[in-house]
Amino acid sequence: QVQLQESGPALVKPAETLSLTCTVSGGSMNSYYWMWIRQPPGKGLEWVGFIYYKGGTNYNPSLRNRVTVSADTSKSQFSLNLYSVTAADTAVYFCARGVPKEGSSSPGFFDYWGQGAQVTVSS
Amino acid sequence: DIQMTQSPSTLSASVGDRVTITCRASQSISRFLAWYQQKPGKAPKLLIYQASSLQDGVPSRFSGSGSGTEFTLTISGLQPDDFGTYYCQQYSTYRTFGQGTKVESK
Repeated sequence: QVQLQESGPALVKPAETLSLTCTVSGGSMNSYYWMWIRQPPGKGLEWVGFIYYKGGTNYNPSLRNRVTVSADTSKSQFSLNLYSVTAADTAVYFCARGVPKEGSSSPGFFDYWGQGAQVTVSS
Repeated sequence: DIQMTQSPSTLSASVGDRVTITCRASQSISRFLAWYQQKPGKAPKLLIYQASSLQDGVPSRFSGSGSGTEFTLTISGLQPDDFGTYYCQQYSTYRTFGQGTKVESK
C-alpha cells in the first residue's frame, strides 16, 4: 500500500520560503507524477505543481514564478519550495500521486494522498 | 482555464437516500473527470476516474456518468460513512477542481 507523508515547518513568515517534503513508502516513484495540492482554510482544492519521476516539472500558472518542485528518487522523496509567501498562501498542503492521463504526458487524477500539512504564513 | 461548477453546494439527505451531485465544465473535457470524497481534517479520497470507472475498494453504491460538459456522481443508498464533501476534478487541460458539494444529514 502506497503511503505519502508531508513534513516541514507549520509556520512561515511573510516574504520567506515555504518548504515541504513528501516521503513516499510502499511503492516506487517510477511511472507516476508527484503532486502538490493545497487547500486554503474553508476553501476548495488547487494544484500547485508536480514533478514526473524522470524529472520534468510543471506548475500552476498562477504560481509559476514562485514555486519549484524537486525530487530525490533515491530517497523516495519530493519537495516543494514556495517563495515570497503571503497570508494568501496559508493552507493545508497535500502531496499526492498523479496517475498518467491516458494518451498524454501529463498527470490525470490522484489516487494516493498524504494526510496534509497545515502551513500558516504569519509574522 | 476550464472552470468546474458543482451543484448543489450543500445537500441535506438521510441514510438510504439516493443522492445525485452534478458537475459542469466550462468547455468539453471528454471523459477526463474524477470524483473525490473528503471528510473534515482528512485528505480527499479518489472515488471515480475517467467519469465512470470505480476506484479499487470503493463501494458499488457510488457511480459516475457523463461526458463532454455535464457529469453526475450518484450514491445509491446513502450510508452514514458517506457524509462529507465531494469534489469533481477535470484533467483534460491542466487540472481544476469544482468548489465542492457538502452532503450533510437531514
